[in-house]
Amino acid sequence: EAGVTQSPTHLIKTRGQQATLRCSPISGHTSVYWYQQALGLGLQFLLWYDEGEERNRGNFPPRFSGRQFPNYSSELNVNALELEDSALYLCATKPHDRDRWGVNSPLHFGNGTRLTVT
Amino acid sequence: AQKVTQAQTEISVVEKEDVTLDCVYETRDTTYYLFWYKQPPSGELVFLIRRNSFDEQNEISGRYSWNFQKSTSSFNFTITASQVVDSAVYFCALSERNYGGSQGNLIFGKGTKLSVKP
Repeated sequence: EAGVTQSPTHLIKTRGQQATLRCSPISGHTSVYWYQQALGLGLQFLLWYDEGEERNRGNFPPRFSGRQFPNYSSELNVNALELEDSALYLCATKPHDRDRWGVNSPLHFGNGTRLTVT
Repeated sequence: AQKVTQAQTEISVVEKEDVTLDCVYETRDTTYYLFWYKQPPSGELVFLIRRNSFDEQNEISGRYSWNFQKSTSSFNFTITASQVVDSAVYFCALSERNYGGSQGNLIFGKGTKLSVKP
């Protein structure tokens, strides 16, 4: 079974440009989460999509946005890039928890996209 | 508010030593989930264990063991007879169950970098 795949692996942009990062979930997974891992800041939650809808958003400015497609893959867009946006961006997926009291499935992570803003 | 604290930023041990990674969490919810993930140098986060709030039974998996104590809000991780391949960053994470039954995002600690020297 293929794992979570992210593309590109590395991305180099200059300040003010836009970056688009992509994530393909494991087959059968409908929830997609995006995290930013910047040096010294740990993993910061960015966005959560489930069945095409944005379900939750972390404490990031509006220039961080995304969407989820009908096939449950997802894009993360970062507009007006700033130097401090340089980080590893991780995508994670899981099945939808339909049972209210069901077991909380763990997240499965991709290898990430290393974004460098110069 | 939800919070996960991993007070140990870096730990260095010699192979075959036992090592314990500490995790303390804060949550207002009575139903929540705790996780440990491993991040090797390749970048991908690898799921290690999930524990829900109503199951305080400790768990052992090979050289790994986890001690969950609700009274002290701690979920510590012990590696017995450490090996060089255990070198990685280890993250503890918390997830609350939102009203409506869907899991929210994971809140991660800042991670503990474990270096196991031969």
